[in-house]
Amino acid sequence: TQLLEQSPQFLSIQEGENLTVYCNSSSVFSSLQWYRQEPGEGPVLLVTVVTGGEVKKLKRLTFQFGDARKDSSLHITAAQPGDTGLYLCAGAPPAGGYQKVTFGTGTKLQVIP
Amino acid sequence: ETGVTQSPTHLIKTRGQQVTLRCSSQSGHNTVSWYQQALGQGPQFIFQYYREEENGRGNFPPRFSGLQFPNYSSELNVNALELDDSALYLCASSYGTGGRLAYTFGSGTRLTVV
Repeated sequence: TQLLEQSPQFLSIQEGENLTVYCNSSSVFSSLQWYRQEPGEGPVLLVTVVTGGEVKKLKRLTFQFGDARKDSSLHITAAQPGDTGLYLCAGAPPAGGYQKVTFGTGTKLQVIP
Repeated sequence: ETGVTQSPTHLIKTRGQQVTLRCSSQSGHNTVSWYQQALGQGPQFIFQYYREEENGRGNFPPRFSGLQFPNYSSELNVNALELDDSALYLCASSYGTGGRLAYTFGSGTRLTVV
């Protein structure tokens, strides 16, 4: 069973601060995705990273896939109240055919105005 | 292009009862995956349906079952409900079954078992 541990579990910061969320596993993934989920809604895909060492930027969000494709990080610059939500990483194992996407434990972010 | 629609949005059932949750996949998608999400935690994979066949299953007992129809919509059935089944049930559709694909999630069905 592939496990994805996220840290921190909870994060409460002031508007304008920077933060980093980590997603770690002992397993190798063929790809890793980050989602954001707001209360009462399903997760919404933010980004997919595929290549070890890959860095992707989405406005103030920077995503990095570890060189060994076992971990990833999400960095938010100058956080805003609209960034509040549950951040989930999700990984797919390196295999052909059916692949089960495994979700991480989640990081609940609160940005205080 | 329509998104993923789940129904009902909320449901209250009594322990021991049976429940059916429904999901309409996004237009053009042929794969549906079901997840169970406890409050504040990551979704747990229940099973996936591809072309009307179960295509993988997580660590859930047989009382969790599903169907996929020719139009790729899907149902999740849970028999003999237990209190621990209370959760948000999410349906995600995609095209194909590869791990690099992007899932489109519905807003979920909040099930409460009393």
